[in-house]
Amino acid sequence: DGGITQSPKYLFRKEGQNVTLSCEQNLNHDAMYWYRQDPGQGLRLIYYSQIVNDFQKGDIAEGYSVSREKKESFPLTVTSAQKNPTAFYLCASSQTHGTGQEQYFGPGTRLTVT
Amino acid sequence: QQPVQSPQAVILREGEDAVINCSSSKALYSVHWYRQKHGEAPVFLMILLKGGEQKGHEKISASFNEKKQQSSLYLTASQLSYSGTYFCGTEIGVDYKLSFGAGTTVTVRA
Repeated sequence: DGGITQSPKYLFRKEGQNVTLSCEQNLNHDAMYWYRQDPGQGLRLIYYSQIVNDFQKGDIAEGYSVSREKKESFPLTVTSAQKNPTAFYLCASSQTHGTGQEQYFGPGTRLTVT
Repeated sequence: QQPVQSPQAVILREGEDAVINCSSSKALYSVHWYRQKHGEAPVFLMILLKGGEQKGHEKISASFNEKKQQSSLYLTASQLSYSGTYFCGTEIGVDYKLSFGAGTTVTVRA
């Protein structure tokens, strides 16, 4: 079955450590996205990639970095510069980045930093 | 740029109807609706496009008023499975990015 996988489901880190969240898709989609979700809030866009080797900042990119070396993979690194990294992180993909493109979401990774 | 959703929460009995609204201060190119169960990924419900086209996977209806820059999602004859948090995502600019509302929590009781 095609879909998006994110691992791990739960992640715990100490403050000051960088951590990388995995996102893989086998839908052959060109576009991929990273969102952050905090309790009681909507999804906020961190980074997105329209095509391999290309990515753009979203609304809250500070303290995060990404890479897109392969079409199916879009890992997110939460750096120590991110002041409040504890959140639920969702990866999504769409056929292309354009008007009216349905986004498919992965199951998410819940990151806790103490 | 974040759209405003209302109500914040609604409690229904099975079989009752509800309307969830999503309003934007900017002109909209499209509105996307998703439902999320607690701790799970959002699931696509519907896209409404400027000009009237709609794309959806479920038997849920919605409307898109371009002039008022708002969309409404209609939950008709609600079932227990309709429980969850409903998010609207709006596309307002040439960069095609979505901005999501804070969500409407729907609880359907037997």
